[in-house]
Parts: sequence; structure tokens; C-alpha cells
Amino acid sequence: KAGVTQTPRYLIKTRGQQVTLSCSPISGHRSVSWYQQTPGQGLQFLFEYFSETQRNKGNFPGRFSGRQFSNSRSEMNVSTLELGDSALYLCASSPAGQGSYEQYFGPGTRLTVT
Amino acid sequence: AQRVTQPEKLLSVFKGAPVELKCNYSYSGSPELFWYVQYSRQRLQLLLRHISRESIKGFTADLNKGETSFHLKKPFAQEEDSAMYYCAPGGGGNKLTFGTGTQLKVEL
Repeated sequence: KAGVTQTPRYLIKTRGQQVTLSCSPISGHRSVSWYQQTPGQGLQFLFEYFSETQRNKGNFPGRFSGRQFSNSRSEMNVSTLELGDSALYLCASSPAGQGSYEQYFGPGTRLTVT
Repeated sequence: AQRVTQPEKLLSVFKGAPVELKCNYSYSGSPELFWYVQYSRQRLQLLLRHISRESIKGFTADLNKGETSFHLKKPFAQEEDSAMYYCAPGGGGNKLTFGTGTQLKVEL
């Protein structure tokens, strides 16, 4: 099976702009989670989608949002970008529903905000 | 608040020496515990989960509920074990709380 894919791999945006990142899970996986990775804060959970519904949410401001489509592909959106949003954004998919946490990670999207 | 602590940012050992990567957690309920690993230029991947009680690549991890610890151990370090290791309790669906990670460097 193909692994989790994320597009684009690299992105440079200007402060104040918005950005959309895409994630395609492993075929058959219905859960998609998003994480932000920075040198200062490490890996932080953003949110999780399962069957097109947000099931879990981390402690991020409302500028961070996401959605999941019927084919399980997911997008996350960050509006009004700030310099501190520069990070590696990781997507992970999981094969099962509630209570199973084995997650398969994508390569990440490196977002730089200038 | 759910917290996980990995006290060592960097752990350097010689090849053949024992390895112990420490992880302490503060979590409500009974979380499921994982170790994830990221080798150089590779994706973050699952190393092992406590519920499976198996040894992966020679690594084992014992859950000590009394000490709320989940240390990762290997009796003899190999050069290919050099990587970044993350302890990650899970709870409430597919939500992982990652520790800050420990960079393991195995020297020849």
C-alpha cells in the first residue's frame, strides 16, 4: 500500500496570508490526525478527523481548521498566518476507529512564514 | 493536564552498551503508551506499544503504573539505533501527546 502523502512538501507564505495543506491517508484508513512540529514546542496535536467529523481537537487557536472528505483525504487550513506558524506539519492516518492509536505518518509539509 | 516527560535531550552510548530512554507521564485514566522513532531522513514511525508487550528491534518497554514510567530499553546498542525517540501516551481517540524526544547517538 502507498504510504501517507502530503502536499505540498514545502511552502513559503507571507504573514497575514492563509494556507491550505493536503493529506491523503493510506487506503482504507478513516482517521486522519494533524500535528505541528517546531523546535521549541516539539510535536503538538492539532486535530483528528474520523468519517468526515472532527473527533478531537488540540489547544490551537481558531485560525487552525481542518476538514475531511468522503474519501478520507483531509485538508488543514491556517488563516491570518503569523511568524510563529512556521513549522513542519505532519499528517497521520490510522486504520481503526476509537481506541486504536497506531498512526502512520506522512513526510510533512514544511511551512515557512515570512 | 496530560504531560509526558523525556528528561534527556541527547543520550550518547557506545555500541554494545545498554540503552535506557526514560519517559514519565502524567495522565488521567489509563492511557495506552507508545514509543515512536524517527531515523535520519525518514518518517516518524511506531516502534512499539505497551499493550503488545513485544520486543521490536531488540527494544522493550515496561509500563510501571506506580511510577508512571514507560522507559525504553535495549541490552546492546547498535549503530543503526541512532535516531530520535518519542514517548507518546494516547488518550481520547487517536490523539497522541508526544514528549520532547530523546536523540540517541550510538558511537563506535
